[in-house]
Amino acid sequence: GAGVSQSPSNKVTEKGKDVELRCDPISGHTALYWYRQRLGQGLEFLIYFQGNSAPDKSGLPSDRFSAERTGESVSTLTIQRTQQEDSAVYLCASSLGAAEGILAKNIQYFGAGTRLSVL
Amino acid sequence: AQKVTQAQTEISVVEKEDVTLDCVYETRDTTYYLFWYKQPPSGELVFLIRRNSFDEQNEISGRYSWNFQKSTSSFNFTITASQVVDSAVYFCALSEAMNSGYSTLTFGKGTMLLVSP
Repeated sequence: GAGVSQSPSNKVTEKGKDVELRCDPISGHTALYWYRQRLGQGLEFLIYFQGNSAPDKSGLPSDRFSAERTGESVSTLTIQRTQQEDSAVYLCASSLGAAEGILAKNIQYFGAGTRLSVL
Repeated sequence: AQKVTQAQTEISVVEKEDVTLDCVYETRDTTYYLFWYKQPPSGELVFLIRRNSFDEQNEISGRYSWNFQKSTSSFNFTITASQVVDSAVYFCALSEAMNSGYSTLTFGKGTMLLVSP
């Protein structure tokens, strides 16, 4: 597609359930990022994927959070045993990778996010 | 550690007024990049501008202009003759140099701009 696509757009779940959030990056973008946006806050970095390299998981808040990416395409963010404090908008972004040059690769393009509500 | 401060939580203006959104940053890097993103009610962040730390030249794009001043670590954003469609949350962000091969963005908390008719 033309832009970053995220699904679902909204997710309501009960405390303790697992959820999966999906991100489809812009075609050709090898870098993919997940961010969390709590109400009234800026975006917090969660995890980064670049091609087949090991992901940077330094932003994941706990071991209940994990993410996978298949090749250079779709990514799934999984939150296990959800808690109420996990309620937030989860945003995905993609950018060109290292091969495309420094200036090109550090502009991140964002999806519309998944609004997660944990009851 | 990097930090971005957007002191204005919310600004309300009437259409056609000029408005400036403030952004102050902190970094130890000598090479870095600054960004502004717009987040309309639909939720998707829209990229507006990127500046690198070596280019302090101000930039104008239509009704938008940006004032980058390294001496005060500020990267302010001005909308001239604001319009209702400018209503959104605006985020300022900072990224380190590309040595590591990628750039995590450090965001401010955003400024909500409300433009009324």
